[in-house]
Amino acid sequence: AQKVTQAQTEISVVEKEDVTLDCVYETRDTTYYLFWYKQPPSGELVFLIRRNSFDEQNEISGRYSWNFQKSTSSFNFTITASQVVDSAVYFCALSRTGANSKLTFGKGITLSVRP
Amino acid sequence: DTGVSQNPRHKITKRGQNVTFRCDPISEHNRLYWYRQTLGQGPEFLTYFQNEAQLEKSRLLSDRFSAERPKGSFSTLEIQRTEQGDSAMYLCASSLIVLQETQYFGPGTRLLVL
Repeated sequence: AQKVTQAQTEISVVEKEDVTLDCVYETRDTTYYLFWYKQPPSGELVFLIRRNSFDEQNEISGRYSWNFQKSTSSFNFTITASQVVDSAVYFCALSRTGANSKLTFGKGITLSVRP
Repeated sequence: DTGVSQNPRHKITKRGQNVTFRCDPISEHNRLYWYRQTLGQGPEFLTYFQNEAQLEKSRLLSDRFSAERPKGSFSTLEIQRTEQGDSAMYLCASSLIVLQETQYFGPGTRLLVL
Protein backbone atom coordinates (compact mmCIF):
# COMPACT_ATOMS: atom_id res chain seq x y z
CA ALA A 1 0.00 0.00 0.00
CA GLN A 2 1.11 3.53 -0.66
CA LYS A 3 0.96 6.31 1.90
CA VAL A 4 1.85 9.99 2.01
CA THR A 5 2.28 11.86 5.26
CA GLN A 6 2.28 15.63 5.53
CA ALA A 7 2.78 16.13 9.25
CA GLN A 8 2.44 19.91 9.12
CA THR A 9 -1.21 20.95 8.87
CA GLU A 10 -1.00 24.74 8.91
CA ILE A 11 1.92 27.11 8.45
CA SER A 12 1.79 30.87 8.74
CA VAL A 13 4.64 33.10 7.62
CA VAL A 14 5.22 36.75 6.89
CA GLU A 15 5.81 37.77 3.31
CA LYS A 16 9.41 37.33 2.11
CA GLU A 17 10.15 34.56 4.61
CA ASP A 18 11.33 31.20 3.32
CA VAL A 19 9.12 28.21 4.12
CA THR A 20 9.60 24.46 3.73
CA LEU A 21 6.73 22.03 3.37
CA ASP A 22 7.54 18.47 4.41
CA CYS A 23 6.42 15.27 2.73
CA VAL A 24 7.21 11.69 3.72
CA TYR A 25 6.02 8.74 1.67
CA GLU A 26 5.78 4.96 1.92
CA THR A 27 5.74 2.53 -0.98
CA ARG A 28 6.95 -0.98 -1.77
CA ASP A 29 7.40 -0.14 -5.43
CA THR A 30 10.91 0.28 -6.77
CA THR A 31 9.81 2.85 -9.32
CA TYR A 32 7.27 5.54 -8.62
CA TYR A 33 6.46 9.19 -9.15
CA LEU A 34 6.16 11.97 -6.60
CA PHE A 35 4.17 15.15 -7.14
CA TRP A 36 3.31 18.46 -5.56
CA TYR A 37 0.02 20.19 -6.30
CA LYS A 38 -1.25 23.59 -5.16
CA GLN A 39 -4.91 24.18 -4.34
CA PRO A 40 -5.80 27.87 -4.08
CA PRO A 41 -9.12 28.98 -2.55
CA SER A 42 -10.80 28.56 -5.95
CA GLY A 43 -10.41 24.80 -5.47
CA GLU A 44 -8.63 23.72 -8.64
CA LEU A 45 -5.54 21.57 -8.13
CA VAL A 46 -2.58 23.06 -9.95
CA PHE A 47 0.30 20.79 -10.91
CA LEU A 48 3.69 22.04 -9.70
CA ILE A 49 6.21 19.25 -10.18
CA ARG A 50 6.69 15.55 -10.92
CA ARG A 51 9.77 13.66 -9.78
CA ASN A 52 10.79 10.14 -10.83
CA SER A 53 12.07 7.78 -8.17
CA PHE A 54 15.28 7.13 -10.09
CA ASP A 55 16.12 10.83 -10.34
CA GLU A 56 17.27 12.25 -7.03
CA GLN A 57 18.55 15.47 -8.48
CA ASN A 58 17.07 18.46 -6.72
CA GLU A 59 15.14 20.94 -8.81
CA ILE A 60 14.72 24.68 -8.70
CA SER A 61 12.07 26.67 -10.53
CA GLY A 62 12.10 30.34 -9.74
CA ARG A 63 11.26 30.73 -6.05
CA TYR A 64 10.35 27.04 -5.75
CA SER A 65 12.77 24.23 -5.00
CA TRP A 66 12.33 20.56 -4.23
CA ASN A 67 14.58 18.24 -2.22
CA PHE A 68 14.09 14.54 -2.95
CA GLN A 69 15.88 12.13 -0.60
CA LYS A 70 15.19 8.48 -1.26
CA SER A 71 17.15 7.39 1.82
CA THR A 72 14.63 9.12 4.09
CA SER A 73 11.61 8.74 1.76
CA SER A 74 11.10 12.48 1.74
CA PHE A 75 10.21 14.98 -0.94
CA ASN A 76 10.25 18.45 0.61
CA PHE A 77 9.19 21.68 -1.04
CA THR A 78 10.72 25.08 -0.27
CA ILE A 79 9.31 28.45 -1.24
CA THR A 80 11.89 31.21 -1.09
CA ALA A 81 10.82 34.80 -0.41
CA SER A 82 7.18 33.84 0.02
CA GLN A 83 4.43 36.04 -1.38
CA VAL A 84 0.79 36.50 -0.44
CA VAL A 85 -0.20 34.74 -3.68
CA ASP A 86 1.51 31.60 -2.37
CA SER A 87 -1.28 31.22 0.19
CA ALA A 88 -2.99 27.92 -0.62
CA VAL A 89 -3.22 24.28 0.39
CA TYR A 90 -0.29 22.24 -0.88
CA PHE A 91 -0.56 18.51 -1.49
CA CYS A 92 2.17 15.96 -1.91
CA ALA A 93 1.17 12.86 -3.88
CA LEU A 94 2.59 9.50 -4.92
CA SER A 95 1.76 7.22 -7.82
CA ARG A 96 2.89 3.98 -9.34
CA THR A 97 4.37 3.86 -12.80
CA GLY A 98 2.61 1.94 -15.53
CA ALA A 99 -0.92 0.59 -15.61
CA ASN A 100 -2.74 2.41 -12.83
CA SER A 101 -1.19 5.73 -11.99
CA LYS A 102 -3.81 6.81 -9.48
CA LEU A 103 -2.53 9.43 -7.09
CA THR A 104 -2.30 8.86 -3.36
CA PHE A 105 -2.41 12.24 -1.65
CA GLY A 106 -1.37 13.49 1.75
CA LYS A 107 -3.79 15.53 3.81
CA GLY A 108 -2.32 18.80 2.63
CA ILE A 109 -0.62 21.75 4.28
CA THR A 110 -2.42 25.09 4.53
CA LEU A 111 0.06 27.87 3.95
CA SER A 112 -0.88 31.42 4.90
CA VAL A 113 1.44 34.21 3.86
CA ARG A 114 0.72 37.47 5.66
CA PRO A 115 1.67 40.84 4.19
CA ASP B 1 -4.92 24.02 -25.24
CA THR B 2 -7.97 24.23 -22.98
CA GLY B 3 -7.82 22.56 -19.60
CA VAL B 4 -10.11 20.05 -17.95
CA SER B 5 -13.63 21.35 -17.50
CA GLN B 6 -16.31 20.15 -15.12
CA ASN B 7 -20.00 20.91 -14.90
CA PRO B 8 -21.80 21.94 -12.87
CA ARG B 9 -19.40 23.73 -10.55
CA HIS B 10 -21.84 23.59 -7.67
CA LYS B 11 -24.79 21.34 -6.96
CA ILE B 12 -27.21 21.41 -4.06
CA THR B 13 -29.62 18.52 -3.82
CA LYS B 14 -31.93 16.88 -1.35
CA ARG B 15 -31.17 13.52 0.17
CA GLY B 16 -32.47 10.71 -2.01
CA GLN B 17 -32.18 12.58 -5.29
CA ASN B 18 -29.93 11.50 -8.16
CA VAL B 19 -27.18 13.77 -9.46
CA THR B 20 -24.90 13.59 -12.49
CA PHE B 21 -21.62 15.39 -13.04
CA ARG B 22 -19.76 15.84 -16.30
CA CYS B 23 -16.04 16.04 -17.00
CA ASP B 24 -14.46 17.09 -20.29
CA PRO B 25 -10.78 16.16 -20.36
CA ILE B 26 -7.98 17.85 -22.21
CA SER B 27 -8.36 16.81 -25.83
CA GLU B 28 -6.35 13.73 -26.81
CA HIS B 29 -5.83 12.73 -23.18
CA ASN B 30 -6.64 9.04 -23.05
CA ARG B 31 -6.83 8.59 -19.26
CA LEU B 32 -9.48 10.12 -17.08
CA TYR B 33 -9.65 9.90 -13.29
CA TRP B 34 -12.31 10.76 -10.71
CA TYR B 35 -11.42 11.72 -7.16
CA ARG B 36 -13.44 12.85 -4.16
CA GLN B 37 -12.23 15.40 -1.65
CA THR B 38 -13.87 16.09 1.69
CA LEU B 39 -13.14 19.09 3.89
CA GLY B 40 -9.63 19.11 5.28
CA GLN B 41 -8.55 16.00 3.42
CA GLY B 42 -6.59 15.22 0.30
CA PRO B 43 -8.38 13.90 -2.78
CA GLU B 44 -9.16 10.18 -2.77
CA PHE B 45 -9.23 8.04 -5.88
CA LEU B 46 -12.62 6.80 -7.05
CA THR B 47 -12.17 5.35 -10.53
CA TYR B 48 -10.32 5.75 -13.79
CA PHE B 49 -10.75 5.15 -17.51
CA GLN B 50 -8.31 4.44 -20.25
CA ASN B 51 -10.12 5.50 -23.39
CA GLU B 52 -13.65 4.14 -22.87
CA ALA B 53 -12.68 1.25 -20.60
CA GLN B 54 -13.19 1.63 -16.84
CA LEU B 55 -10.15 -0.16 -15.47
CA GLU B 56 -10.38 0.26 -11.72
CA LYS B 57 -12.91 1.26 -9.10
CA SER B 58 -12.12 2.11 -5.51
CA ARG B 59 -13.92 0.52 -2.58
CA LEU B 60 -15.16 4.06 -1.93
CA LEU B 61 -17.33 3.74 -5.03
CA SER B 62 -20.46 2.13 -3.65
CA ASP B 63 -23.14 0.63 -5.90
CA ARG B 64 -24.94 3.99 -5.83
CA PHE B 65 -22.11 5.46 -7.89
CA SER B 66 -21.62 4.82 -11.58
CA ALA B 67 -19.23 6.36 -14.06
CA GLU B 68 -19.09 6.20 -17.82
CA ARG B 69 -16.88 7.45 -20.57
CA PRO B 70 -18.63 6.76 -23.84
CA LYS B 71 -16.41 6.95 -26.91
CA GLY B 72 -13.43 7.76 -24.74
CA SER B 73 -14.16 11.48 -24.61
CA PHE B 74 -16.13 13.14 -21.80
CA SER B 75 -17.10 11.26 -18.67
CA THR B 76 -20.09 11.33 -16.35
CA LEU B 77 -20.30 10.41 -12.70
CA GLU B 78 -23.77 9.65 -11.37
CA ILE B 79 -24.76 9.28 -7.75
CA GLN B 80 -28.11 7.67 -7.09
CA ARG B 81 -30.15 8.14 -3.92
CA THR B 82 -27.72 10.71 -2.55
CA GLU B 83 -26.85 10.72 1.14
CA GLN B 84 -25.51 13.54 3.29
CA GLY B 85 -22.18 11.71 3.43
CA ASP B 86 -21.83 12.20 -0.32
CA SER B 87 -21.30 15.92 0.22
CA ALA B 88 -17.81 16.62 -1.10
CA MET B 89 -15.83 18.09 -3.96
CA TYR B 90 -15.68 15.76 -6.95
CA LEU B 91 -12.54 16.24 -8.99
CA CYS B 92 -11.76 15.03 -12.45
CA ALA B 93 -8.26 14.72 -13.90
CA SER B 94 -6.95 13.68 -17.27
CA SER B 95 -3.58 12.54 -18.54
CA LEU B 96 -1.81 11.33 -21.62
CA ILE B 97 -0.08 7.98 -21.41
CA VAL B 98 3.52 8.73 -22.19
CA LEU B 99 6.75 7.70 -20.58
CA GLN B 100 6.02 9.96 -17.65
CA GLU B 101 2.41 10.62 -16.76
CA THR B 102 1.05 13.77 -15.16
CA GLN B 103 -2.58 14.29 -14.21
CA TYR B 104 -4.17 17.68 -14.78
CA PHE B 105 -7.21 18.54 -12.74
CA GLY B 106 -10.43 20.36 -13.45
CA PRO B 107 -12.02 22.92 -11.12
CA GLY B 108 -14.22 20.32 -9.45
CA THR B 109 -17.92 20.00 -8.71
CA ARG B 110 -18.90 20.85 -5.17
CA LEU B 111 -21.87 18.76 -4.03
CA LEU B 112 -24.00 19.57 -1.01
CA VAL B 113 -26.66 17.08 0.01
CA LEU B 114 -29.28 18.51 2.36
